Amino acid sequence: DTGVSQDPRHKITKRGQNVTFRCDPISEHNRLYWYRQTLGQGPEFLTYFQNEAQLEKSRLLSDRFSAERPKGSFSTLEIQRTEQGDSAMYLCASSSTTAGGGDTQYFGPGTRLTVL
Amino acid sequence: GEDVEQSLFLSVREGDSSVINCTYTDSSSTYLYWYKQEPGAGLQLLTYIFSNMDMKQDQRLTVLLNKKDKHLSLRIADTQTGDSAIYFCAERDGIKAAGNKLTFGGGTRVLVKP
Repeated sequence: DTGVSQDPRHKITKRGQNVTFRCDPISEHNRLYWYRQTLGQGPEFLTYFQNEAQLEKSRLLSDRFSAERPKGSFSTLEIQRTEQGDSAMYLCASSSTTAGGGDTQYFGPGTRLTVL
Repeated sequence: GEDVEQSLFLSVREGDSSVINCTYTDSSSTYLYWYKQEPGAGLQLLTYIFSNMDMKQDQRLTVLLNKKDKHLSLRIADTQTGDSAIYFCAERDGIKAAGNKLTFGGGTRVLVKP
């Protein structure tokens, strides 16, 4: 059983560049979530999808951030004009509303972004 | 808004029991979770409890929920060095039909000494 995968695992970029991260959820999971975790803190919710529909966005998700899940499977998170404050671990999670287990979220290994 | 609080640090001797505590403010929480995070890694689900339960046991893990006091705890029996990690408590808001986000505490760093 393949878990949630994320690519790349690490990304170093210069301030002002655009970056894109990919998340592949557990197969057949219809919900997909993005969280951001800064050093020493717990993860904070950014956005989530049910199938291809983006149902909720946090106020943390500024205009420079955009997320898509075009076919209801994998998702991408793009950050435009990166700033040093964007440096964080970006975590993806998926869940199923149809399987048992209370719609529990399973997390991927994360993408660590460093903005120089 | 929702708030989840945890103590920052716990030191325990190998073989002893660990108890990690968490308090939350959202009275509409439906599920409460415990995740484990090792350095540089993602979050590993340990266990969860539905809000109408007050206890759940899963091998070495025991979760206690006091809904009146909004207090959640995780007990790890016979703590091993491999249990050294950061443990996060999280709650899920039950009110909004589409609101499925988790709100996390700041994490408790557990250090197991041999």
